Amino acid sequence: EAQVTQNPRYLITVTGKKLTVTCSQNMNHEYMSWYRQDPGLGLRQIYYSMNVEVTDKGDVPEGYKVSRKEKRNFPLILESPSPNQTSLYFCASTKTQTADPFTGEQFFGPGTRLTVL
Amino acid sequence: RKEVEQDPGPFNVPEGATVAFNCTYSNSASQSFFWYRQDCRKEPKLLMSVYSSGNEDGRFTAQLNRASQYISLLIRDSKLSDSATYLCVVNTYLSGGTASKLTFGTGTRLQVTL
Repeated sequence: EAQVTQNPRYLITVTGKKLTVTCSQNMNHEYMSWYRQDPGLGLRQIYYSMNVEVTDKGDVPEGYKVSRKEKRNFPLILESPSPNQTSLYFCASTKTQTADPFTGEQFFGPGTRLTVL
Repeated sequence: RKEVEQDPGPFNVPEGATVAFNCTYSNSASQSFFWYRQDCRKEPKLLMSVYSSGNEDGRFTAQLNRASQYISLLIRDSKLSDSATYLCVVNTYLSGGTASKLTFGTGTRLQVTL
Protein backbone atom coordinates (compact mmCIF):
# COMPACT_ATOMS: atom_id res chain seq x y z
CA GLU A 1 0.00 0.00 0.00
CA ALA A 2 1.34 3.40 -1.03
CA GLN A 3 1.74 5.50 2.05
CA VAL A 4 3.63 8.05 4.11
CA THR A 5 4.34 7.02 7.67
CA GLN A 6 5.35 9.17 10.61
CA ASN A 7 6.54 8.26 14.07
CA PRO A 8 5.72 8.93 16.76
CA ARG A 9 2.09 9.91 16.31
CA TYR A 10 1.90 11.60 19.69
CA LEU A 11 4.73 13.00 21.79
CA ILE A 12 4.86 15.00 24.98
CA THR A 13 8.29 16.26 25.88
CA VAL A 14 10.02 18.97 27.88
CA THR A 15 11.83 22.09 26.79
CA GLY A 16 15.35 21.44 25.53
CA LYS A 17 15.15 17.69 25.11
CA LYS A 18 16.24 16.82 21.57
CA LEU A 19 13.77 14.81 19.54
CA THR A 20 13.38 13.38 16.06
CA VAL A 21 10.18 12.73 14.17
CA THR A 22 10.66 10.17 11.44
CA CYS A 23 8.97 10.21 8.04
CA SER A 24 9.11 7.51 5.44
CA GLN A 25 7.40 7.05 2.06
CA ASN A 26 7.26 3.95 -0.13
CA MET A 27 6.27 5.64 -3.41
CA ASN A 28 9.77 6.50 -4.66
CA HIS A 29 8.85 10.18 -4.52
CA GLU A 30 11.57 12.75 -5.07
CA TYR A 31 9.99 15.62 -3.19
CA MET A 32 9.29 15.56 0.52
CA SER A 33 8.36 18.30 2.94
CA TRP A 34 7.44 19.03 6.52
CA TYR A 35 4.56 21.22 7.60
CA ARG A 36 3.22 22.39 10.90
CA GLN A 37 -0.44 23.17 11.39
CA ASP A 38 -1.64 25.62 14.01
CA PRO A 39 -5.16 26.98 14.61
CA GLY A 40 -5.82 30.06 12.52
CA LEU A 41 -2.51 29.76 10.67
CA GLY A 42 -3.09 26.77 8.46
CA LEU A 43 -0.36 24.53 7.14
CA ARG A 44 3.04 26.19 6.99
CA GLN A 45 6.04 24.61 5.36
CA ILE A 46 9.07 24.07 7.59
CA TYR A 47 11.58 22.44 5.24
CA TYR A 48 11.48 20.65 1.95
CA SER A 49 13.72 18.35 -0.03
CA MET A 50 13.73 18.03 -3.79
CA ASN A 51 15.85 14.90 -3.75
CA VAL A 52 18.51 13.03 -1.80
CA GLU A 53 20.98 15.41 -0.15
CA VAL A 54 19.01 18.44 -1.37
CA THR A 55 17.10 20.32 1.31
CA ASP A 56 15.92 23.89 1.68
CA LYS A 57 14.10 26.10 4.11
CA GLY A 58 10.39 26.65 3.92
CA ASP A 59 8.48 29.46 5.57
CA VAL A 60 9.13 28.62 9.23
CA PRO A 61 12.47 26.78 9.53
CA GLU A 62 13.73 28.30 12.79
CA GLY A 63 14.36 25.69 15.47
CA TYR A 64 14.22 22.73 13.07
CA LYS A 65 16.68 20.63 11.12
CA VAL A 66 16.19 17.98 8.47
CA SER A 67 18.27 15.51 6.53
CA ARG A 68 17.69 13.49 3.38
CA LYS A 69 20.25 10.71 3.21
CA GLU A 70 17.91 8.27 1.50
CA LYS A 71 15.09 8.90 -0.90
CA ARG A 72 12.44 7.33 1.30
CA ASN A 73 13.27 9.00 4.62
CA PHE A 74 13.06 12.63 5.70
CA PRO A 75 13.39 13.03 9.47
CA LEU A 76 12.57 16.26 11.30
CA ILE A 77 14.89 17.14 14.15
CA LEU A 78 14.21 19.53 16.99
CA GLU A 79 17.56 20.10 18.67
CA SER A 80 16.16 22.09 21.60
CA PRO A 81 12.37 22.10 21.54
CA SER A 82 10.48 25.02 22.99
CA PRO A 83 6.79 25.43 23.89
CA ASN A 84 6.12 27.46 20.74
CA GLN A 85 6.89 24.33 18.73
CA THR A 86 3.84 22.63 20.18
CA SER A 87 1.88 21.83 17.06
CA LEU A 88 0.52 19.20 14.67
CA TYR A 89 3.23 18.17 12.22
CA PHE A 90 2.70 16.60 8.81
CA CYS A 91 5.20 15.06 6.48
CA ALA A 92 4.24 14.98 2.81
CA SER A 93 5.67 13.64 -0.41
CA THR A 94 5.03 14.07 -4.10
CA LYS A 95 6.67 12.64 -7.16
CA THR A 96 8.20 15.89 -8.26
CA GLN A 97 7.66 19.56 -7.65
CA THR A 98 9.29 20.85 -10.80
CA ALA A 99 7.40 23.24 -12.99
CA ASP A 100 6.51 20.78 -15.71
CA PRO A 101 3.99 19.60 -14.68
CA PHE A 102 2.92 19.64 -11.08
CA THR A 103 -0.13 17.54 -10.41
CA GLY A 104 -0.81 19.05 -7.03
CA GLU A 105 -1.27 15.82 -5.16
CA GLN A 106 0.83 15.74 -2.06
CA PHE A 107 0.50 12.58 -0.01
CA PHE A 108 0.48 13.35 3.67
CA GLY A 109 1.46 11.24 6.61
CA PRO A 110 -1.04 10.79 9.46
CA GLY A 111 0.47 13.59 11.52
CA THR A 112 2.45 13.89 14.74
CA ARG A 113 0.93 15.81 17.60
CA LEU A 114 3.79 17.32 19.60
CA THR A 115 3.45 19.01 22.96
CA VAL A 116 6.48 20.75 24.47
CA LEU A 117 6.11 21.58 28.16
CA ARG B 1 -2.45 40.40 3.14
CA LYS B 2 -2.39 36.62 3.36
CA GLU B 3 -1.28 34.77 0.25
CA VAL B 4 -4.38 32.58 0.36
CA GLU B 5 -7.51 33.64 2.22
CA GLN B 6 -10.59 31.66 3.11
CA ASP B 7 -13.62 32.26 5.27
CA PRO B 8 -13.04 29.94 8.25
CA GLY B 9 -16.76 29.29 8.72
CA PRO B 10 -18.23 27.14 10.08
CA PHE B 11 -20.84 26.71 7.40
CA ASN B 12 -23.73 24.81 8.96
CA VAL B 13 -26.02 23.41 6.28
CA PRO B 14 -28.78 20.81 6.25
CA GLU B 15 -28.35 17.58 4.39
CA GLY B 16 -29.24 18.02 0.73
CA ALA B 17 -28.32 21.70 0.60
CA THR B 18 -25.98 23.32 -1.88
CA VAL B 19 -23.04 25.18 -0.38
CA ALA B 20 -20.24 27.21 -1.95
CA PHE B 21 -16.85 28.30 -0.66
CA ASN B 22 -14.60 30.95 -2.09
CA CYS B 23 -10.90 31.45 -1.73
CA THR B 24 -8.79 34.41 -2.85
CA TYR B 25 -5.09 34.42 -3.63
CA SER B 26 -2.72 37.34 -3.82
CA ASN B 27 0.01 36.23 -6.24
CA SER B 28 -1.10 36.77 -9.82
CA ALA B 29 1.75 34.51 -10.97
CA SER B 30 0.23 31.47 -9.27
CA GLN B 31 -0.18 28.69 -11.76
CA SER B 32 -2.29 25.91 -10.38
CA PHE B 33 -4.98 25.52 -7.80
CA PHE B 34 -6.46 22.75 -5.73
CA TRP B 35 -8.99 21.90 -3.08
CA TYR B 36 -7.96 19.55 -0.31
CA ARG B 37 -10.22 18.02 2.29
CA GLN B 38 -9.17 17.56 5.89
CA ASP B 39 -11.17 15.61 8.42
CA CYS B 40 -10.76 16.49 12.07
CA ARG B 41 -7.20 15.79 13.26
CA LYS B 42 -6.45 13.81 10.11
CA GLU B 43 -4.13 14.43 7.19
CA PRO B 44 -5.27 16.59 4.24
CA LYS B 45 -6.20 14.73 1.07
CA LEU B 46 -6.57 16.05 -2.45
CA LEU B 47 -10.21 16.59 -3.36
CA MET B 48 -9.81 18.05 -6.81
CA SER B 49 -7.69 20.26 -9.00
CA VAL B 50 -9.16 23.51 -10.31
CA TYR B 51 -8.90 24.26 -14.00
CA SER B 52 -9.50 27.53 -15.82
CA SER B 53 -12.44 26.05 -17.66
CA GLY B 54 -14.00 24.82 -14.44
CA ASN B 55 -14.33 21.18 -13.60
CA GLU B 56 -16.81 18.85 -12.01
CA ASP B 57 -16.45 15.64 -10.08
CA GLY B 58 -19.81 14.21 -9.09
CA ARG B 59 -21.43 16.62 -6.65
CA PHE B 60 -18.37 18.86 -6.54
CA THR B 61 -17.67 21.71 -8.94
CA ALA B 62 -14.56 23.87 -8.88
CA GLN B 63 -14.09 27.17 -10.67
CA LEU B 64 -11.16 29.49 -11.20
CA ASN B 65 -11.37 33.20 -11.90
CA ARG B 66 -7.88 34.44 -12.73
CA ALA B 67 -8.94 38.03 -13.34
CA SER B 68 -10.35 38.35 -9.84
CA GLN B 69 -7.88 35.88 -8.35
CA TYR B 70 -10.30 33.58 -6.65
CA ILE B 71 -11.32 29.97 -6.80
CA SER B 72 -14.53 28.41 -5.66
CA LEU B 73 -15.88 25.04 -4.62
CA LEU B 74 -19.55 24.16 -4.95
CA ILE B 75 -21.00 21.12 -3.23
CA ARG B 76 -24.45 20.00 -4.31
CA ASP B 77 -26.77 17.70 -2.38
CA SER B 78 -24.61 17.83 0.75
CA LYS B 79 -24.13 14.61 2.68
CA LEU B 80 -23.33 14.16 6.34
CA SER B 81 -20.03 12.67 5.20
CA ASP B 82 -19.08 15.97 3.54
CA SER B 83 -18.53 17.49 6.99
CA ALA B 84 -14.88 18.44 7.03
CA THR B 85 -12.52 21.37 6.55
CA TYR B 86 -11.83 22.33 2.95
CA LEU B 87 -8.40 23.76 2.23
CA CYS B 88 -7.71 26.01 -0.71
CA VAL B 89 -4.22 25.38 -2.09
CA VAL B 90 -2.31 27.51 -4.54
CA ASN B 91 0.82 26.46 -6.40
CA THR B 92 3.29 29.13 -7.44
CA TYR B 93 6.44 28.51 -9.43
CA LEU B 94 9.56 29.84 -7.80
CA SER B 95 12.08 32.00 -9.65
CA GLY B 96 14.06 30.02 -12.18
CA GLY B 97 11.15 27.70 -12.75
CA THR B 98 12.89 24.76 -11.16
CA ALA B 99 10.55 24.34 -8.26
CA SER B 100 7.19 25.43 -7.04
CA LYS B 101 5.62 26.07 -3.72
CA LEU B 102 2.24 25.08 -2.36
CA THR B 103 0.53 27.62 -0.13
CA PHE B 104 -2.39 26.42 1.95
CA GLY B 105 -5.32 28.47 3.10
CA THR B 106 -6.44 28.07 6.70
CA GLY B 107 -9.51 26.18 5.60
CA THR B 108 -13.28 26.52 5.65
CA ARG B 109 -15.14 24.25 8.00
CA LEU B 110 -18.34 22.63 6.78
CA GLN B 111 -20.84 20.96 9.07
CA VAL B 112 -23.71 19.13 7.41
CA THR B 113 -26.62 18.34 9.71
CA LEU B 114 -29.74 16.20 9.54
